[in-house]
Amino acid sequence: VLTQSPGTLSLSPGERATLSCGASPSVGTSLAWYQQKPGQSPRLLIYDTSNRATGIPARFSGSGSGTDFTLTISSLEPEDFAVYYCQQRSSWPITFGQGTRLEI
Amino acid sequence: EVQVLESGGGLVQPGGSLRLSCTASGFTFSIYGMTWVRQAPGKGLEWVSTVSGSGAGTTYADSVRGRFTISRDDSKSTMFLQMNSLRVEDTAVYFCVKGGAGTYYTDWGQGTLVTVSS
Repeated sequence: VLTQSPGTLSLSPGERATLSCGASPSVGTSLAWYQQKPGQSPRLLIYDTSNRATGIPARFSGSGSGTDFTLTISSLEPEDFAVYYCQQRSSWPITFGQGTRLEI
Repeated sequence: EVQVLESGGGLVQPGGSLRLSCTASGFTFSIYGMTWVRQAPGKGLEWVSTVSGSGAGTTYADSVRGRFTISRDDSKSTMFLQMNSLRVEDTAVYFCVKGGAGTYYTDWGQGTLVTVSS
């Protein structure tokens, strides 16, 4: 099970965002983060905990291991306001967290 | 450029059937596993089913096993999801995704909406 917190995060452009994902049981480092905007399909941001996917800006970073993971957006841009999901691939079936809504 | 395009969604009554298709381009379809992920209105993402690159292996979420059947036609670069005995709780946008059961997903379609309602 992946549990994301907070459910909703209200911040302003230029601020730092910290999103959390808790895993039970441990998923090692087999965790990814996705961004989804309204009416769009999810976009892979981070894979294997800390690797940015192709074309993802450096303001996005991931960290953690085992059961506690963090997605950090160093300085929010207007286009970053969206819903973020974590996903594990450590055990079958792959599962997603319930999402964190990042709002202005 | 990788592209995947879903079709076949629509409105169906509880207990009915629907067949989704996913047509792919921009990569060697036959060697990749392909997956369906769904998202109920206003809800999160749920993995539904995966078919292996060879087509020999298929896996299903507990919530759809025995009712849904995934398949592929490599000659047409197309994947299918046959959905039978549909329930109201199957209402969702169904995304076609390039990739197998134990991976991360970089390439998603735009989704096709399935609505199960009387």
